Amino acid sequence: GAGVSQSPSNKVTEKGKDVELRCDPISGHTALYWYRQRLGQGLEFLIYFQGNSAPDKSGLPSDRFSAERTGESVSTLTIQRTQQEDSAVYLCASSSQSGAGGFGEQYFGPGTRLTVT
Amino acid sequence: AQTVTQSQPEMSVQEAETVTLSCTYDTSESDYYLFWYKQPPSRQMILVIRQEAYKQQNATENRFSVNFQKAAKSFSLKISDSQLGDAAMYFCAYNGGATNKLIFGTGTLLAVQP
Repeated sequence: GAGVSQSPSNKVTEKGKDVELRCDPISGHTALYWYRQRLGQGLEFLIYFQGNSAPDKSGLPSDRFSAERTGESVSTLTIQRTQQEDSAVYLCASSSQSGAGGFGEQYFGPGTRLTVT
Repeated sequence: AQTVTQSQPEMSVQEAETVTLSCTYDTSESDYYLFWYKQPPSRQMILVIRQEAYKQQNATENRFSVNFQKAAKSFSLKISDSQLGDAAMYFCAYNGGATNKLIFGTGTLLAVQP
């Protein structure tokens, strides 16, 4: 596809259930990021994958959150035992890391809106 | 730790007029990047403009320009000849360091009045 895609677009789940969110980055992009956006707020960094390097998990809010990425393709963000405070839009971005000075523009997907009831 | 502050939760501008959105940041890095992103109701984050800190010249993209004051750690966005399609949430973002993660401000909701 031409851009970053995410699925599902919306997810409603009951408190205590596990959820998986999927991100398909732009083909060839080596870097992939997950961000969380709570209602009316800016984006919070969660996790960053770069090629085969160990991911930067410094933004994950608790051990209920985890993410995986296979090579330079799809990534899944898993939230276990969901809580109401996990309700937010989860955005994925990818970049080629080839921009000037080593920073590539991050291209964002449309996000997954998660609602925990 | 780096922080980004947007002190204007909401702004309004008349169509065809000019509006300036404010952003300040805090960092101890000397080399970094600054960005303005637009987020319409569709949730899609769109890069509006970027500025490399080592460049003294302010970035410009058509009707969008920035006023980058490195010493003051200020990075404002000016939108000229505002259009109805400019209505959106605007986020200022910072990147500096090894991981390339973006640090975002809390956003400014821009309304454009016809």
